[in-house]
Amino acid sequence: DTGVSQDPRHKITKRGQNVTFRCDPISEHNRLYWYRQTLGQGPEFLTYFQNEAQLEKSRLLSDRFSAERPKGSFSTLEIQRTEQGDSAMYLCASSPQGAIETDTQYFGPGTRLTVL
Amino acid sequence: AQSVTQPDIHITVSEGASLELRCNYSYGATPYLFWYVQSPGQGLQLLLKYFSGDTLVQGIKGFEAEFKRSQSSFNLRKPSVHWSDAAEYFCAVGSGSGNTGKLIFGQGTTLQVKP
Repeated sequence: DTGVSQDPRHKITKRGQNVTFRCDPISEHNRLYWYRQTLGQGPEFLTYFQNEAQLEKSRLLSDRFSAERPKGSFSTLEIQRTEQGDSAMYLCASSPQGAIETDTQYFGPGTRLTVL
Repeated sequence: AQSVTQPDIHITVSEGASLELRCNYSYGATPYLFWYVQSPGQGLQLLLKYFSGDTLVQGIKGFEAEFKRSQSSFNLRKPSVHWSDAAEYFCAVGSGSGNTGKLIFGQGTTLQVKP
């Protein structure tokens, strides 16, 4: 399977704990995006990378959130001191290089986070 | 600011009936528009996209959408719905500049298909 993969698919944690999610984009896609989706809502943009550079962060990305893409391949999203409001589906997407194709994003299956 | 509105939160149609899901956008320049479908507990699958050219675009699974600049709309249609089409549908707009790349999504429309 050459699609976007995310790990874990589900994570249950207690409030105050730290969690880390991983995203592996489609091979050779140089852009990688993180979105958050709460129940009954559309995905909301969190941040994106072009290769290893983090080029934009949403104001939704508080200082408890950090994302990395150290070698321009996989990415991690860490949430420190989780709160119940962090419970959501975290979606990763990647897009290929090219003028038109840059803006077509392919999504992974998501990581469902539940904070107790 | 960019925004997307999907006026219908929930739609129910009978199997075999036609379908139209509405999407209105607000964007200053020529928008890049997308429709995605999401099955329960799954990620999003791209149905179709509009970048430029022909305003009627064809997608996968028999879906099509029409871009109407004068109405700021990008409605999704299917002539005959199948039970497997039951899912949540999201319309999205992208900056298209290649500089930002982020998508702005609507709230989504849940499609229920009656047998």
